[in-house]
Amino acid sequence: AQSVTQLDSQVPVFEEAPVELRCNYSSSVSVYLFWYVQYPNQGLQLLLKYLSGSTLVKSINGFEAEFNKSQTSFHLRKPSVHISDTAEYFCAVGTGFQKLVFGTGTRLLVSP
Amino acid sequence: SQTIHQWPATLVQPVGSPLSLECTVEGTSNPNLYWYRQAAGRGLQLLFYSVGIGQISSEVPQNLSASRPQDRQFILSSKKLLLSDSGFYLCAWTSGSPETQYFGPGTRLLVL
Repeated sequence: AQSVTQLDSQVPVFEEAPVELRCNYSSSVSVYLFWYVQYPNQGLQLLLKYLSGSTLVKSINGFEAEFNKSQTSFHLRKPSVHISDTAEYFCAVGTGFQKLVFGTGTRLLVSP
Repeated sequence: SQTIHQWPATLVQPVGSPLSLECTVEGTSNPNLYWYRQAAGRGLQLLFYSVGIGQISSEVPQNLSASRPQDRQFILSSKKLLLSDSGFYLCAWTSGSPETQYFGPGTRLLVL
């Protein structure tokens, strides 16, 4: 069975500072990997995904994540965060069987 | 373009009352459909998924049920709500791109 671990439940950071949200997964088969973002009282929005090919994937708003197969990780990074990045971020893994397994989420708190 | 709708947006129900939440998808055909529940601080729990009309897979035994009467309609029901049914209910769909799920705006349910 697959599992996803997001070790940090909350990450406080100052505006314009860099941030890394950690995600590790466990799977015995090849995986697809996703990061979703959830703003208060809203559904989840797809931020970026790794399906195949280049292990570094980027979003349109400056986030990036790198698939590291040897470390079974898919950490999310941004070199300079904005107040508007305050949200909850979920990492998820899929293995081709129609379902995703989600981590418990990391709340990113950006302060001025 | 594809859109997903959920209603109602918010619902307050007494314990023991019935429940019906509806999800519809526009702009796609034969999607896979999913119901998740998000309890405070506990991430996303997959409740049901469906790969076609009348085909429902249950992930967690509970007093909830799901039905798919039409290709793009997914309904979550209960005959008698429990306090523990409170939470944020999210519907999602996927079609085509491997397992990339797109979420609706959610229904916040409070059982009193």
